[in-house]
Amino acid sequence: AAGVIQSPRHLIKEKRETATLKCYPIPRHDTVYWYQQGPGQDPQFLISFYEKMQSDKGSIPDRFSAQQFSDYHSELNMSSLELGDSALYFCASSPLGPSGSYEQYFGPGTRLTVT
Amino acid sequence: AQSVTQLGSHVSVSEGALVLLRCNYSSSVPPYLFWYVQYPNQGLQLLLKYTSAATLVKGINGFEAEFKKSETSFHLTKPSAHMSDAAEYFCAVSENPQGAQKLVFGQGTRLTINP
Repeated sequence: AAGVIQSPRHLIKEKRETATLKCYPIPRHDTVYWYQQGPGQDPQFLISFYEKMQSDKGSIPDRFSAQQFSDYHSELNMSSLELGDSALYFCASSPLGPSGSYEQYFGPGTRLTVT
Repeated sequence: AQSVTQLGSHVSVSEGALVLLRCNYSSSVPPYLFWYVQYPNQGLQLLLKYTSAATLVKGINGFEAEFKKSETSFHLTKPSAHMSDAAEYFCAVSENPQGAQKLVFGQGTRLTINP
């Protein structure tokens, strides 16, 4: 079965640089979520999209922005990177709209290292 | 706001022994509860979910969990541990507001299986 695809899988950036993370949800999934998992920590919700509109926002820094495109893929844009942004970034998708299903399927994550 | 507490950041059991991972939740509305497993350097895989149907939920790999409203608990169990069960386990809660249902995770429990 198709899974959530994230690219790149690994990314190394320097401080103050920018990064773009991409997420391709499972086909026919219309809701996308982004989470950040720091070393040894639990995943923290950043932001979510339903039908290309932002549906909820968590602890996402103002330096980060995200959007969902017409083909439902999503991109997380990160600017002015800081050392503390080093983390595993997960994308998850779910089907049938925001209240139709309760299962989120996670991608393998993008490991971002800021040096 | 909802929250999750996982009791014990590390649990160690012998192969073949009972696995019990504890999760207590706090939610102002009837919650939706999930257990996810994370193997090293991998994404989160859904083990099982509770969404207000049967209180005893069976998941993959022989795991099950029981929702106990009076105790606000959703403990994860497996009768007989296998070496392949060694991983990080996260309990998560989601309310059902209008909009995408973000997950709030517990701190995680690292399960070690001794031969």
